[in-house]
Order: sequence, then C-alpha cells, then structure tokens
Amino acid sequence: QKEVEQNSGPLSVPEGAIASLNCTYSDRGSQSFFWYRQYSGKSPELIMSIYSNGDKEDGRFTAQLNKASQYVSLLIRDSQPSDSATYLCAGGGYGGSQGNLIFGKGTKLSVKP
Amino acid sequence: DTGVSQDPRHKITKRGQNVTFRCDPISEHNRLYWYRQTLGQGPEFLTYFQNEAQLEKSRLLSDRFSAERPKGSFSTLEIQRTEQGDSAMYLCASSFQKNTEAFFGQGTRLTVV
Repeated sequence: QKEVEQNSGPLSVPEGAIASLNCTYSDRGSQSFFWYRQYSGKSPELIMSIYSNGDKEDGRFTAQLNKASQYVSLLIRDSQPSDSATYLCAGGGYGGSQGNLIFGKGTKLSVKP
Repeated sequence: DTGVSQDPRHKITKRGQNVTFRCDPISEHNRLYWYRQTLGQGPEFLTYFQNEAQLEKSRLLSDRFSAERPKGSFSTLEIQRTEQGDSAMYLCASSFQKNTEAFFGQGTRLTVV
C-alpha cells in the first residue's frame, strides 16, 4: 500500500515566521513530488513540484526532497495570514504505467497576525 | 485556455438516483484524473486516463462508478444508485504527461440526501 504521511496539525505560526511542513512517503519508486495549497471549500492549487534531491526555491516557498530518507518538506518564509490553508503533499510516478498521484491527508496551517 | 473545468459545481440528489459529472481538461493535456475528497481527508484516487485509455482504476472503487473519456478530450464520471456515503467533492485534474504537474478543476460537490 503506497502511502504519503503528513502531520495533520494544526500548525500555528506568527506572521513573518517560517512555516515548516513535512511529508514522508512509503514507496521508493516515487519519482515526483508536489505541494498543493487548499483553502476551505476550494480545490487544491499547485504551488511547488520537485523531482530531484535537494532544494527548489520559488519566491517565499522552498521545497526539499531527500529520496534516501523518503522525506519531502515545504518551507514558507515570511508567512502571511493569507497562507493559512491546508497543505497537501502528493507523490507520483510509481513504476510501470502507473501515474496517479497519492496524497497525504494534509497539514492545516494557521498564520496569526 | 482557462484551466480545468468541471460541471456542475454542485449537485444534490436523492439516494438511489444516478448522477453524471463532466470534466474538460487543459487542452494540451493528455492525462486526466478523477479524485474524491471528503472533509478532513486528502484527495482519494479514483481513476485516470491517458488520452482515451483508462489506465488505472482504484481497487476500492465500487462497480457503481464508471468513467469515460471517449475522444481523449473531456471525461464523464457516472455514479449509479447513489448512496449517502457517496457525498463528497469530486475533483478532476489533468497533466501533460506522466510525472508532470497536475492541475485541478474547481470540483463538483455532491450531496446525497
């Protein structure tokens, strides 16, 4: 059973702080990883993708991937109240023809003004 | 192109009725995914298509669920003899190819009464 695990939170950080979101996955065949942001009642919105070990930065967001540890993380710098949402981690690209994404349950982030 | 489009946005149906949802993916995307999401959970994979071929279907998916993508463009998801447990947000996503970024539509919220 392929699984993606996330701490459900809630994670609460003050405005301007760094928010750190973590995710682990069970299948070493995973090749691609994605972070989605989901506001209450809305659909998931893609914010980051990462395919190789190391860090990938995009504005205030940094995704980190460690395939040896089967660990993915997302850092949000200078957190804003508008970042308050549920963050979903997804892994994909399992072997063969499989191509579906497996999602974690999400971590709820609350940024306090 | 304005992104993935789903119709209807909301559907209320009586238990035992059949419902059909439509998804129009981003035009150049050949992969189309269906997910289901309930409150507090991450999206649960249902099925995906590459062009018109349905390549994978969740083993957890009831026989009451069927999906088609007849010409490799739009897709429909039909639920027969709906049950209260089918109440959820049904999400469609599309991507250009395997392992690449998938973008979600706004979702169809189904309520079975």
